[in-house]
Amino acid sequence: TQTVSQSDAHVTVFEGDSVELRCNYSYGGSIYLSWYIQHHGHGLQFLLKYYSGNPVVQGVNGFEAEFSKSDSSFHLRKASVHWSDSAVYFCAVSATGGYKVVFGSGTRLLVSP
Amino acid sequence: NSKVIQTPRYLVKGQGQKAKMRCIPEKGHPVVFWYQQNKNNEFKFLINFQNQEVLQQIDMTEKRFSAECPSNSPCSLEIQSSEAGDSALYLCASSGTPNYAEQFFGPGTRLTVL
Repeated sequence: TQTVSQSDAHVTVFEGDSVELRCNYSYGGSIYLSWYIQHHGHGLQFLLKYYSGNPVVQGVNGFEAEFSKSDSSFHLRKASVHWSDSAVYFCAVSATGGYKVVFGSGTRLLVSP
Repeated sequence: NSKVIQTPRYLVKGQGQKAKMRCIPEKGHPVVFWYQQNKNNEFKFLINFQNQEVLQQIDMTEKRFSAECPSNSPCSLEIQSSEAGDSALYLCASSGTPNYAEQFFGPGTRLTVL
């Protein structure tokens, strides 16, 4: 069974700050890891994914994430946030060859001006 | 940007009424997913299709929900007899590759059951 844990329900930073949103997963097999963003009143927007290769993956709007097998983590980072980055961020895991995607509980990021 | 279309955006029903929502996946995407997102942002996978065939569905979906993805028509999700606990945001997503980690979501249909 795959599980995804996002330990921080809320993160507040100032515009221009760096931010890291944490994601830990539990699964023994080969998986895909993804991050999505959801602005209020909208559906989810895909940010980036990892399957293999370079553990640091680049996504849209300056986001990147780093996979760590030893820590079972896939944390999302941005060097300098903008107020428009305020949203809920979801980490997701899916097993290769499977059909279902399991989402974390989400982290609400608030960027203050 | 996602081109998944969901209608209606808002749906209000009384308990026991049918509630039907539709989804047009991105062109060329053979796999469609339906999720239920509650007010705590928790996702519940409901069902998915590849072309017109059901791949997986949960028990709840089998009993009170019906869904289909006919060829050349929008996909649909229908709750046969709405309950208050069904009030949620229903999200449709489509995927064009075997890598289901990359899904394209519609804006959702927000169902309120009074």
